Amino acid sequence: EADIYQTPRYLVIGTGKKITLECSQTMGHDKMYWYQQDPGMELHLIHYSYGVNSTEKGDLSSESTVSRIRTEHFPLTLESARPSHTSQYLCASSGSSYNEQFFGPGTRLTVL
Amino acid sequence: AQRVTQPEKLLSVFKGAPVELKCNYSYSGSPELFWYVQYSRQRLQLLLRHISRESIKGFTADLNKGETSFHLKKPFAQEEDSAMYYCALSSNSGYSTLTFGKGTMLLVSP
Repeated sequence: EADIYQTPRYLVIGTGKKITLECSQTMGHDKMYWYQQDPGMELHLIHYSYGVNSTEKGDLSSESTVSRIRTEHFPLTLESARPSHTSQYLCASSGSSYNEQFFGPGTRLTVL
Repeated sequence: AQRVTQPEKLLSVFKGAPVELKCNYSYSGSPELFWYVQYSRQRLQLLLRHISRESIKGFTADLNKGETSFHLKKPFAQEEDSAMYYCALSSNSGYSTLTFGKGTMLLVSP
């Protein structure tokens, strides 16, 4: 079934740890996005990619990095997690012709 | 720069009452507008987009370029409509990011 998957769904980790949030989609989409969202608040675009080996920074400055080696996979990495990184991270994808985005279930990250 | 404004953080109505969630945008070109909804414990999902001119779950939204608005309306609110609603804007290019508003929480009471 076509969908967007994010793992883990919840992550509690200590300061200074390196983490990777996984996002994969079976939608056949070429465009993928990462948003940061505090509960009940607006979404901030932090990274996006229009295809393999293409990544761009979004509107909100983030210490995270992303890679796009495969079309269906768009992982986000934090080299050294800090409490200020505590948030929900949403992954999304969209097709080539439309700007409508489809969202994954999100990863709720807590850094202690 | 493009911007989306949702002036109400919370809108509380009784079941059966009309609902209007406001959305104003700022964009110099020809925009594409969307409404997304997030029900409790569910993922963000598209409710409707202006180019489709459709009604989803009884909701409609009309793009008013003169007033730069894209308000979401429903004549009779239901309790299951309680959710967070986000208005979003992009350019009409196929390669454009979405700019989201801050969202409006709709609470429908019995």
